[in-house]
Amino acid sequence: AQKITQTQPGMFVQEKEAVTLDCTYDTSDPSYGLFWYKQPSSGEMIFLIYQGSYDQQNATEGRYSLNFQKARKSANLVISASQLGDSAMYFCAMRGFILTGGGNKLTFGTGTQLKVEL
Amino acid sequence: KAGVTQTPRYLIKTRGQQVTLSCSPISGHRSVSWYQQTPGQGLQFLFEYFSETQRNKGNFPGRFSGRQFSNSRSEMNVSTLELGDSALYLCASNEGSETQYFGPGTRLLVL
Repeated sequence: AQKITQTQPGMFVQEKEAVTLDCTYDTSDPSYGLFWYKQPSSGEMIFLIYQGSYDQQNATEGRYSLNFQKARKSANLVISASQLGDSAMYFCAMRGFILTGGGNKLTFGTGTQLKVEL
Repeated sequence: KAGVTQTPRYLIKTRGQQVTLSCSPISGHRSVSWYQQTPGQGLQFLFEYFSETQRNKGNFPGRFSGRQFSNSRSEMNVSTLELGDSALYLCASNEGSETQYFGPGTRLLVL
């Protein structure tokens, strides 16, 4: 079974500051992927960043970076230079590649509500 | 390319009715997955279709069903609606790559 834990229900950050959203995971799959999605109040899930379990380097996409620590089973999202438009719910998710038989099932955490303030 | 589209965007039904939701994936994507999002249970995987075959299924009762057509469009059906089925239903598509792209969702309210 796979499990994602996000322990921060809500976070506040000042505009232009950096913020780290925590995510820990548990899986018995030897190969897996980790994802972060952003969900504004409109409801659509917006893909932000992906990290494969065998990737040697931490993923980066613009202002987003994923701090992947495999031994600690953590995949924290770092948003640099926060903007007001970053206010949203953020979900960490994972997908196993071996034990799920090639399917695309994502397991999500409970999310972190981020509020960016002036 | 156009993104994932879902219709309808909003739906109100009464208990006992049935509902059909539609999802059109990104052009070229053969995999379509469905998720239910509620405040109490969070995001839960319903099922995945790939090339018209159900490839994976979540832990939902048989009232929840789906299908996929030859053009990769997918529908999900919920029969005998219950109040607890009120949720945001999201579909996602991908093809080969690890990343799933989501549609805007259908908000279902069961009265």
